[in-house]
Amino acid sequence: QQQVKQSPQSLIVQKGGISIINCAYENTAFDYFPWYQQFPGKGPALLIAIRPDVSEKKEGRFTISFNKSAKQFSLHIMDSQPGDSATYFCAASMTTDSWGKLQFGAGTQVVVTP
Amino acid sequence: DGGITQSPKYLFRKEGQNVTLSCEQNLNHDAMYWYRQDPGQGLRLIYYSQIVNDFQKGDIAEGYSVSREKKESFPLTVTSAQKNPTAFYLCASTPGALSSYNEQFFGPGTRLTVL
Repeated sequence: QQQVKQSPQSLIVQKGGISIINCAYENTAFDYFPWYQQFPGKGPALLIAIRPDVSEKKEGRFTISFNKSAKQFSLHIMDSQPGDSATYFCAASMTTDSWGKLQFGAGTQVVVTP
Repeated sequence: DGGITQSPKYLFRKEGQNVTLSCEQNLNHDAMYWYRQDPGQGLRLIYYSQIVNDFQKGDIAEGYSVSREKKESFPLTVTSAQKNPTAFYLCASTPGALSSYNEQFFGPGTRLTVL
C-alpha cells in the first residue's frame, strides 16, 4: 500500500505551459517532501524539496506548494520546456527516521511538446 | 569525480540463475539503499544498510540478498527465488541516516531482464 499517492500518471503540456503534479500522504509524521526528476534510462535526481514549516518553495521554474492541513503537496513547472520531459516522483520521509527511508509516489510522466 | 556507480548497465538472466548487481560509492556516505522500479509503481525499497555488516529488509526483500562488507560497496543478489525479477534496479546513498533532510543520491541503474 503506497503511503504517498501521486497524480496524474502522465500529462502532456505544450511548450510554455504549466505542468502540475499532485501528491497526497496520510502519515502526519512525514516532515520532508522531495521531488525527484528521472530521465529515461537514468537514475532519479533531486529536483527540489520542502519542509512543512513553509507553504511554498521556488527554485527557478519549479515551485512546490504545500498544504499541511490537507496533507497534500504539488509541483508546478512554469514555462515548461521540451527538456523538462521526464518522469517526476514525489516522496516523503520523517527526518526522525534513523534509516532515512523515503516513501515514493508512483511517478508522473511529463511530455512537453514543441 | 564523486558519485555512485552501478554495473552492469544491462544484465540478462536465465531462469534459475542467481545474479549479482554491483553498487559502489565514493561519496563517503554511511547509508545505502536498493530500489526496484517497475512501470507505474514508483520505487520500491528492497534492502537498506546504515553501517558495515548490518542491513535491513525493505518492503519487497523476498528473493533478494545483500551484503555490506565495505562502506563503499552494497551488492545486491537476485536469487532464483525471485519470481519476477525483470525490472530496473537503482542503488542510492545518503551522507548519514541521521542527516537532516534525507536527500538520497542515486546511481544510473541496472536493467535486469530474465530470458
